[in-house]
Amino acid sequence: QVQLVQSGAEVKKPGASVKVSCKASGYTFTSYGISWVRQAPGQGLEWMGWISAYNGNTNYAQKLQGRVTMTTDTSTSTAYMELRSLRSDDTAVYYCARVDPVVAGYDYWGQGTLVTVSS
Amino acid sequence: DIQMTQSPSSLSASVGDRVTITCQASQDISNYLNWYQQKPGKAPKLLIYDASNLETGVPSRFSGSGSGTDFTFTISSLQPEDIATYYCQQYDNLPQMYTFGQGTKLEIK
Repeated sequence: QVQLVQSGAEVKKPGASVKVSCKASGYTFTSYGISWVRQAPGQGLEWMGWISAYNGNTNYAQKLQGRVTMTTDTSTSTAYMELRSLRSDDTAVYYCARVDPVVAGYDYWGQGTLVTVSS
Repeated sequence: DIQMTQSPSSLSASVGDRVTITCQASQDISNYLNWYQQKPGKAPKLLIYDASNLETGVPSRFSGSGSGTDFTFTISSLQPEDIATYYCQQYDNLPQMYTFGQGTKLEIK
């Protein structure tokens, strides 16, 4: 069965970086894209960006350009999202999601990773 | 960037009621519109893709319609387990880009 398993919760200081992993199993990793979505406490869903696991092409949300990098390791079927220069308003649950190439919907999601930014 | 306006932001209805949520795009997005359900503490779940197609395994009381700029999500007969927040999501394939609506929190009256 398809699974996306994310790394554990992180606590970071303002200005630091965080790297969240998303290990995929149960499907051919390179046949799908991965998107990253975050959700601040009590708030809605915010799209952060997308990466093709096939060729590594990326597209990031404009507001995060320059601070976010998404990568994949096809040898381990793992996607990564790194966010730099963390601020308190980056405190959120971060999700990875598989992107169905046919319908472009997010058909499987990771369990979420809470990143807390606090001094 | 395309903006998505979802309404209402919250909704209270009784079991058995018909519930409707709308999503309006700031420009024509054809049928590139998905709907998700999110229960507290859980990841979202895809319900409807391409505006009107039911994801496999999703109950038939859920439906979606619309194209262009105006879209509707409907629960034909509200069940207690439908209590959740619902989001629309617009997407563009060239390049891959997505925008979520603000969400609609659905509660039982």
